[in-house]
Amino acid sequence: GQNIDQPTEMTATEGAIVQINCTYQTSGFNGLFWYQQHAGEAPTFLSYNVLDGLEEKGRFSSFLSRSKGYSYLLLKELQMKDSASYLCAVRFHYGGSQGNLIFGKGTKLSVKP
Amino acid sequence: DVKVTQSSRYLVKRTGEKVFLECVQDMDHENMFWYRQDPGLGLRLIYFSYDVKMKEKGDIPEGYSVSREKKERFSLILESASTNQTSMYLCASSPRQGARHTEAFFGQGTRLTVV
Repeated sequence: GQNIDQPTEMTATEGAIVQINCTYQTSGFNGLFWYQQHAGEAPTFLSYNVLDGLEEKGRFSSFLSRSKGYSYLLLKELQMKDSASYLCAVRFHYGGSQGNLIFGKGTKLSVKP
Repeated sequence: DVKVTQSSRYLVKRTGEKVFLECVQDMDHENMFWYRQDPGLGLRLIYFSYDVKMKEKGDIPEGYSVSREKKERFSLILESASTNQTSMYLCASSPRQGARHTEAFFGQGTRLTVV
């Protein structure tokens, strides 16, 4: 299967900025997603990148470099409610289909006062 | 709002039972997925389907099968449940690539315990 790597855990302080990195195999790449998942809940969509560059959405931004197989999620002005797992997911071409969606293991972010 | 509904939130089954997990989406999405989520292992793809009656194996299909007879419904079947299939199961759907928004939407999950 395709490898998607992201750090297991991170800790940051309320009001600060945190960057969560994600690396993936570039072969067959067809789009990258970031999801947020609070404990006991389903993942919810945060951002989507398919071209190189930065996508900004309020306090959250996501960056993609396709040639490097690299993305990051940037969270600004951290709030306590941002404590959650952040999942990097890559869509790969698969045969003749649109492609399957493969997730990294997730990064558990703890925001401290 | 997009809605992906899984038939049960919690399920307890006995070893050897045949188990059906149902998932229905109301947004006319072409793609549907079944994942299981385990601590330390993240979300792992079991099967996905990109059209009615079409299915593709994901990373961990062993012990599972799927059925997609109608576009809105994607069923996961455990032919003979085993204790190592105790897990959280998540269904997701997404539109075909090229749509304005292509993200996947998730159901609320089914926590299956096999005893």
